[in-house]
Amino acid sequence: EDKVVQSPLSLVVHEGDTVTLNCSYEVTNFRSLLWYKQEKKAPTFLFMLTSSGIEKKSGRLSSILDKKELFSILNITATQTGDSAVYLCAVENNNDMRFGAGTRLTVKP
Amino acid sequence: ETGVTQSPTHLIKTRGQQVTLRCSSQSGHNTVSWYQQALGQGPQFIFQYYREEENGRGNFPPRFSGLQFPNYSSELNVNALELDDSALYLCASSLFAGRREQYFGPGTRLTVT
Repeated sequence: EDKVVQSPLSLVVHEGDTVTLNCSYEVTNFRSLLWYKQEKKAPTFLFMLTSSGIEKKSGRLSSILDKKELFSILNITATQTGDSAVYLCAVENNNDMRFGAGTRLTVKP
Repeated sequence: ETGVTQSPTHLIKTRGQQVTLRCSSQSGHNTVSWYQQALGQGPQFIFQYYREEENGRGNFPPRFSGLQFPNYSSELNVNALELDDSALYLCASSLFAGRREQYFGPGTRLTVT
């Protein structure tokens, strides 16, 4: 059965720390892996990854995909309190979009 | 501000009733997907509509049905509500068929008692 597993489930850090969030998957007919940030209700799109080894970067956030080992990581450097949110990983195949349970990140001042 | 709107914001229904949730897609987007997000879980894909036709469905029973209108807005209908249907229902729109680069609405919180 297709599955997406995120780790850790929750994480508490202090401002300025660097964090790495993990997403592993087993999905047939893989098309893409996406990262979202969910603060209150609406998840907001961060990255879409389709090719292995190519880092996507946006400010302090970056992400990379390993299609051989079936995982992706999301890095956040110099964390700020505004980074506190649930980070969702989702994998798209031909018929479905399967989300992990998310990692709840709390950044303390 | 994503441009995707949903109504109502909150809804309380009784087991066995029927409910209709509504979604207006972002301007120019012809694809709408619906998701169910239970507390503490990631969203689960219900189905997608592309140009008024169903384009993919997740593992949800037939009592979950949908519709897309010519202006690309969409409805999610759930019949014979069960307690486990209590969740946040998210709508997402995109420019292309498929589920990539979607923009989510704020969701409808449904409580079934």
